[in-house]
Amino acid sequence: DTAVSQTPKYLVTQMGNDKSIKCEQNLGHDTMYWYKQDSKKFLKIMFSYNNKELIINETVPNRFSPKSPDKAHLNLHINSLELGDSAVYFCASSLRQAGYTFGSGTRLTVV
Amino acid sequence: DQQVKQNSPSLSVQEGRISILNCDYTNSMFDYFLWYKKYPAEGPTFLISISSIKDKNEDGRFTVFLNKSAKHLSLHIVPSQPGDSAVYFCAASGGGADGLTFGKGTHLIIQP
Repeated sequence: DTAVSQTPKYLVTQMGNDKSIKCEQNLGHDTMYWYKQDSKKFLKIMFSYNNKELIINETVPNRFSPKSPDKAHLNLHINSLELGDSAVYFCASSLRQAGYTFGSGTRLTVV
Repeated sequence: DQQVKQNSPSLSVQEGRISILNCDYTNSMFDYFLWYKKYPAEGPTFLISISSIKDKNEDGRFTVFLNKSAKHLSLHIVPSQPGDSAVYFCAASGGGADGLTFGKGTHLIIQP
């Protein structure tokens, strides 16, 4: 009974493609996030989103966009994939900035 | 500009001894600090947290100490067990909806 689930776990795709990673949480949390772990293993926030606001890390290219159909889902869309987008992407959620829970990650490889 | 720093990429400790992982931060607005444990191919798992109004929080074998004046926190694991071998991330929050700021992690290796 996974609290934060993201799919797919692995994604291999060619440069220039558009892809999506899905995330769902069943914790009743009010805020969801996307983090990127790069080749140096550094975890950096990309987006945070609740019903009221989307906060974007200014270093994230606009090829990345979060889509939230409802409070339990925050999907990540990536357009025109580049080699440098290869990383592990983690979804997370929290309730009023507490109880942060992470998904198991999606390893994206762009070839 | 790293706002959360873990200066030891790795740490090796003998089983049964105390493991001490350190973390420094620069942003005075941080008021909530967390430690996460991560195994390969898995997401970070929450271990323990501390609010800036406290200087110590304990949960079983894990204790986190916060020194606000020094902008320093540490995680103590005692006694260390083989299953504690993992990467430990220090993270901080400023209370807003802008998520956590992570350190680069410390790879803890517990030797038998």
